[in-house]
Parts: sequence; structure tokens; C-alpha cells
Amino acid sequence: DIQMTQSPSSLSASVGDRVTITCRASQSISNYLNWYRQKPGKAPNLLIYAASSLQSGVPSRFSGSGSGTDFTLTISSLQPEDFATYYCQQSYSTPITFGQGTRLEIK
Amino acid sequence: EVQLVESGGGLIQPGGSLRLSCAASGFTVSSNYMTWVRQAPGKGLEWVSVIYSGGSGGTTYYADSVRGRFTISRDSSKNTLYLQMNSLRAEDTAVYYCARGDCSSPSCYVWHVWGQGTTVTVSS
Repeated sequence: DIQMTQSPSSLSASVGDRVTITCRASQSISNYLNWYRQKPGKAPNLLIYAASSLQSGVPSRFSGSGSGTDFTLTISSLQPEDFATYYCQQSYSTPITFGQGTRLEIK
Repeated sequence: EVQLVESGGGLIQPGGSLRLSCAASGFTVSSNYMTWVRQAPGKGLEWVSVIYSGGSGGTTYYADSVRGRFTISRDSSKNTLYLQMNSLRAEDTAVYYCARGDCSSPSCYVWHVWGQGTTVTVSS
């Protein structure tokens, strides 16, 4: 199974800050990496797919990069609605696996 | 409008069975990869199962934690996805989400549309 490891597990930041979340795969997954945001009590929402493609309707302050085993999600200027939990997910092979999540909190 | 609505969750005793439903609108379930993902209370996302598009029933895969106990299926006439859960355990307690994949992405395992979730509680 491909293990996905996110860092940090939690992060405190302020509105307007630039933040970066990292995801590492236990083996190469090319660019088969997706990012989701989950607000409390809600279903996850797709932000980025194929490592760097912005999902339709997602604000341009979100961007993704990486390939192989190391990936990043960057939010260029945090907005109030961005304080949530973020998950990476590999779509390379089954079993499909998610990172453990990164909780982004207001400083 | 593309939408997924789950139902069928509830309180069930250990060893019992439950069938979750995921009714789709705005697209055809059988033409898409569909998945179930669960989230235990206070925990992260855990993939449960996937069913491929097309064919008679479609290819299916399961997480090790549910293989042999859970069955994913679909009913084209009702445009609905199902998860039959047998031999339930306390560790199956979670919110269960269904989601739709989009094979226009490089991989079909990209979940573009999610339901609101249905809660399953396994307890005596």
C-alpha cells in the first residue's frame, strides 16, 4: 500500500498569510495526487487534482506542485473560509490512500 | 444539478447488517467510477470501496479492513449506489460518504462530487 504523510499535522496562521502544506508518498506516484479541503461537519471538497490542476470553481489562491513522491499545496492569501482541514490523496493505485490531514487554525 | 444524497445510516448492534444508499441526480451512476469513503469520529478520511463504470456490475475493489464484509453495488434503474455492510464492528462507526470520480482527470480515482454523508454507529 502507498502511505501518504502530510506535514505539518496542524498549523496556525492569520488571514492574508501564505501557507504551504506538504505531502509525501511512500513510493513514486507520478502526478497522481489530489488535494481536498474539509470544513467542520461538511463533506470534503476537491481543490487540486493531478498535483497542479485547479478544480473548476476553486479560487486561484490555491495552487499545487510536485511529482514523484513530494508534493505541496500553497494558499497564497488565507481567507476566513480556508480555516479547515486539508487532505492529500493518491490516485495512482488501489488501495486509494489519504494523508492524515492538516488542520489549519486561526492564529 | 449534479448531486449525491446518502441514506440508510443509523445505530446498529455489533454483528449486524446495514445497507447504505447513495441516490444520484444530474448524471448516470453506471457511467462513472463511484466510491465510498468513511470518517470515524475525530479522525481522517479512509477509503472503503470503489466500483468501476460500465460492464455488468462493474469491477470492484475494497480496503482490507472491509473486504469480505462489505459489498458495493449499483442499480441503474434507480441511478443509485449501494454499500451493503455485514458483520459490523465498533470500528466501522463513521460518517460514510459516497463520491463520483471523473475520468477526464488523468486518473478516475479523483473524487469531484461528494454527498453530505450518512452516519453509522455500531454499538450495543
